[in-house]
Amino acid sequence: EPEVTQTPSHQVTQMGQEVILRCVPISNHLYFYWYRQILGQKVEFLVSFYNNEISEKSEIFDDQFSVERPDGSNFTLKIRSTKLEDSAMYFCANARLAGPTDTQYFGPGTRLTVL
Amino acid sequence: AQSVAQPEDQVNVAEGNPLTVKCTYSVSGNPYLFWYVQYPNRGLQFLLKYITGDNLVKGSYGFEAEFNKSQTSFHLKKPSALVSDSALYFCAVRDVAAGNKLTFGGGTRVLVKP
Repeated sequence: EPEVTQTPSHQVTQMGQEVILRCVPISNHLYFYWYRQILGQKVEFLVSFYNNEISEKSEIFDDQFSVERPDGSNFTLKIRSTKLEDSAMYFCANARLAGPTDTQYFGPGTRLTVL
Repeated sequence: AQSVAQPEDQVNVAEGNPLTVKCTYSVSGNPYLFWYVQYPNRGLQFLLKYITGDNLVKGSYGFEAEFNKSQTSFHLKKPSALVSDSALYFCAVRDVAAGNKLTFGGGTRVLVKP
């Protein structure tokens, strides 16, 4: 199975600090997604991204969140001022195409702990 | 809005016995359904998907899933479970109207006992 990688695996931060989560996509897979999973809850969609633009975002993805591909390779999720409730596992997903039949491949996740 | 339900939080099965993990869905339009597995400290691994065609879909690691349109179900099955199948299983549906995001069920923990 194609592999998406994410760094760091675990990030601990103080409330109010900025964090950047990174994702290295699969080669030639140009559609990007971020999901999160709060402990004990469902995996939730945050945002989809293609061609340097956000395609879709959920109500969770407010002004505190942003995404970009700063070097045309890595895909990042930035949280400007973290809150306690941002503590969760964040998953990057990657697909070759954007169609409904295309498989999204997930990275191993970054566990974010906000203190 | 699309939704997925996994009615069982946990399924216990003895090694060698058949394993079934249940999933029901609600969509408007054609259903595009996926199963993922999450092992401890790992990400979500793709198992299989239903797009169209045969109602029985075969996937990785000996898993298969049966699509039933009349019952709006997409149950995951394995004829003979292994201890190594112990993991968290997620059913998901593609939301075509919302950028093809995945909407996940709550997950079912499978425990296979030797």
